Amino acid sequence: AAGVIQSPRHLIKEKRETATLKCYPIPRHDTVYWYQQGPGQDPQFLISFYEKMQSDKGSIPDRFSAQQFSDYHSELNMSSLELGDSALYFCASGHSGSGSGELFFGEGSRLTVL
Amino acid sequence: AQKVTQAQTEISVVEKEDVTLDCVYETRDTTYYLFWYKQPPSGELVFLIRRNSFDEQNEISGRYSWNFQKSTSSFNFTITASQVVDSAVYFCALSEAGRDDKIIFGKGTRLHILP
Repeated sequence: AAGVIQSPRHLIKEKRETATLKCYPIPRHDTVYWYQQGPGQDPQFLISFYEKMQSDKGSIPDRFSAQQFSDYHSELNMSSLELGDSALYFCASGHSGSGSGELFFGEGSRLTVL
Repeated sequence: AQKVTQAQTEISVVEKEDVTLDCVYETRDTTYYLFWYKQPPSGELVFLIRRNSFDEQNEISGRYSWNFQKSTSSFNFTITASQVVDSAVYFCALSEAGRDDKIIFGKGTRLHILP
């Protein structure tokens, strides 16, 4: 079965650069969530989308933005990167109509800021 | 507000011992979901179980078992006859049904199974 696809899996950037992470949800899933997991930390919710509209926002820095496109894939854009942005970024998708409460996580994109 | 507490930051046990990971949660909703995820050193989040707040039946899956007690707001996870491959960080998590299914994670428990 198709899973959530994240790309790239690994990314190395310099401080003050920009990075873009992509997420392709499971087909027919209408919700997408982004999480940030710093070293030794738990995953922290950043932002979510339902039917291409932002539905909730967590502790996402103003330097970050995200959107969901017409094909339901989502991109997380991070600008003016800081050392503290080094983390594992997870995308998850779900189907709001299922009532199951289940999210399916991708394998994560590891961002290293030097 | 919803909150998940995993009081055990790190646990070490010898292989073949049983180990229980504790999870206590807070939520104002009557309908919610509880989860356990495993995160091995490779980093991916491996889904283990989802429990709906109306289903207090305990569950067993092979060497894994879960004890859900609404009266104490706990959802503990036991590994029986632990194996080295069980070494990982385990996250307990919560989502409030009827909202947007956003999952809130506990801080995680790092489990070391010693050979």
